[in-house]
Amino acid sequence: AQSVTQPDIHITVSEGASLELRCNYSYGATPYLFWYVQSPGQGLQLLLKYFSGDTLVQGIKGFEAEFKRSQSSFNLRKPSVHWSDAAEYFCAARLQGSARQLTFGSGTQLTVLP
Amino acid sequence: DGGITQSPKYLFRKEGQNVTLSCEQNLNHDAMYWYRQDPGQGLRLIYYSQIVNDFQKGDIAEGYSVSREKKESFPLTVTSAQKNPTAFYLCASSKGGGDEQYFGPGTRLTVT
Repeated sequence: AQSVTQPDIHITVSEGASLELRCNYSYGATPYLFWYVQSPGQGLQLLLKYFSGDTLVQGIKGFEAEFKRSQSSFNLRKPSVHWSDAAEYFCAARLQGSARQLTFGSGTQLTVLP
Repeated sequence: DGGITQSPKYLFRKEGQNVTLSCEQNLNHDAMYWYRQDPGQGLRLIYYSQIVNDFQKGDIAEGYSVSREKKESFPLTVTSAQKNPTAFYLCASSKGGGDEQYFGPGTRLTVT
């Protein structure tokens, strides 16, 4: 079955430190991949997406993600975290060329220490 | 401003009552979606609609119903048949069925 896994339920980093959030997918073919961020009690905001081409994708708010086919991964990174980055982050995927909908990971809660 | 609105933000109901959650978008998107979010879980798809007057069940449709009479609107009814309706409900839309989805601010439903 198709699935998206975020192995880290909760991550804590200090402000100014680098960040990497992990995402692995299990699909028969390379899916389209997305990262979303959710602040408490709010909807989700799209950070970035990967459809094809360059495997390093730039997004909003200084985030980037790297697609690695060999590892079935799409990890989210930020070189220097700000206190306002504290939120929950969701990785999502869907099959290319399919009308089927997004499959979400269970999310990673990010805490930023001052 | 273009966007997706969900109302109300908080909703309280007694067990056994049906309740309808509103979702409106002015993005001129064809596709709309309803998700349910529970603590510690990702989003689970309830229903989706790719065009007006057509919709499909998602992974957890039991106890829910929808309609899509207008392109801008996709209301979700949580019926008394839904065994555990207390949750955070998110509506989303996309230009087409395969494009990235944009989310509304959500409605938190509490049933007691």
